[in-house]
Amino acid sequence: RKEVEQDPGPFNVPEGATVAFNCTYSNSASQSFFWYRQDCRKEPKLLMSVYSSGNEDGRFTAQLNRASQYISLLIRDSKLSDSATYLCVVNAYASHDMRFGAGTRLTVKP
Amino acid sequence: DAGITQSPRHKVTETGTPVTLRCHQTENHRYMYWYRQDPGHGLRLIHYSYGVKDTDKGEVSDGYSVSRSKTEDFLLTLESATSSQTSVYFCAISESQGANEQYFGPGTRLTVT
Repeated sequence: RKEVEQDPGPFNVPEGATVAFNCTYSNSASQSFFWYRQDCRKEPKLLMSVYSSGNEDGRFTAQLNRASQYISLLIRDSKLSDSATYLCVVNAYASHDMRFGAGTRLTVKP
Repeated sequence: DAGITQSPRHKVTETGTPVTLRCHQTENHRYMYWYRQDPGHGLRLIHYSYGVKDTDKGEVSDGYSVSRSKTEDFLLTLESATSSQTSVYFCAISESQGANEQYFGPGTRLTVT
């Protein structure tokens, strides 16, 4: 079983739709959580950190459920520019060893 | 964008040849990492460095070695390339471990024939 699991998709949604991705992790010692975005043939870039209380950044909302060991990302009012692969990342406290999910691919269509 | 460059950006090499990939940063970050990315897998850590001459193995270190003689440079060497090492290699940097984000370089696409 992979340490970090994501639905690979693809998710194909129309512009303006709301879409949600989930990610589950197996290491209960995980302390830091992130969503990264990766465009085709580019490097991953941080989208947002995920805090225990949940956090929002514009159209993006991230939630953490420690009891069930999953993280979610909600994108509202999808834009064409949101088309990318979204990577879930978890890390144990002060650890070098960030664990990446394989990513969920999103395509937003006109 | 964080100042991270990787060279070469693309390389095709033959099985059994040595290959060295270079990562260069201008951010003066202490931590540097080498990952590989393959379809169906998340990025997997090969080696990392926590300072000049201080390196350690990651999840998939077999067949790879690294060196860091200066803060700004982190080299990844494939001693004898194999087809299973065909991948996209990303270098990353961070100010600290754990809670801080990692910034990634543009990647090197390596093909071993």
